[in-house]
Amino acid sequence: SYVLTQAPSVSVAPGQTASIACGGDNIGSRNVHWYQQRPGQAPVLVIYDDSDRPSGIPERFSGSNSGNTATLTISRVEAGDEADYYCQVWDSSTDRYYVFGPGTTVTVL
Amino acid sequence: QVQLVQSGAEVTKPGASVKVSCKASGYTFNSHEINWVRQANGQGLEFMGWIHPNSGNTGYAQKFQGRITMTRNTAITTAYLELSSLRFEDTAVYYCARGAYGGNRWAQDWGQGTLVTVSS
Repeated sequence: SYVLTQAPSVSVAPGQTASIACGGDNIGSRNVHWYQQRPGQAPVLVIYDDSDRPSGIPERFSGSNSGNTATLTISRVEAGDEADYYCQVWDSSTDRYYVFGPGTTVTVL
Repeated sequence: QVQLVQSGAEVTKPGASVKVSCKASGYTFNSHEINWVRQANGQGLEFMGWIHPNSGNTGYAQKFQGRITMTRNTAITTAYLELSSLRFEDTAVYYCARGAYGGNRWAQDWGQGTLVTVSS
């Protein structure tokens, strides 16, 4: 089955840019989706299909995907961005299911 | 607006079964898969399976095959997850999530979560 990797944690100062990587074999050939999960809350979709934002998600959130790495970028980081971030792809090879990365905790210094 | 409202917390014993509900509103229930994802305390997200409300078709992650059942009642726009032969390690928050239109390739909206505790 397909495996996604993420760094456990990223620290960033307010106002700076956070880059959260998601690795996978030739992940650039797949569409990657990203979720934000604040402590004690349900996940929220922040990016779908590599780089599209759902309505209501700030433009500060952007995504890219190429080669073996997809990246979620948060510009002008705010305290409210402190959360866990999960990447996800859809695996249609068997029962059509979601594969999640292990998650990255973003800490705002 | 889209809402997914889940049933309340459950405490159950090893070997028993639990059934969690997910009441959907604000969209056409029959047009989007409902997915179930769980999260143990301090851990990541784990996909369990999906159900298409229109057909009742399901797809379960291999790990849960044999002890998971997903159903729905279209009249009351509610989906259900039943997990049997519960083990201590099934203690987790269980989320339902609406799949994206046209293929269920991502989860567009999430319920608030239901804590299931397996304890003797």
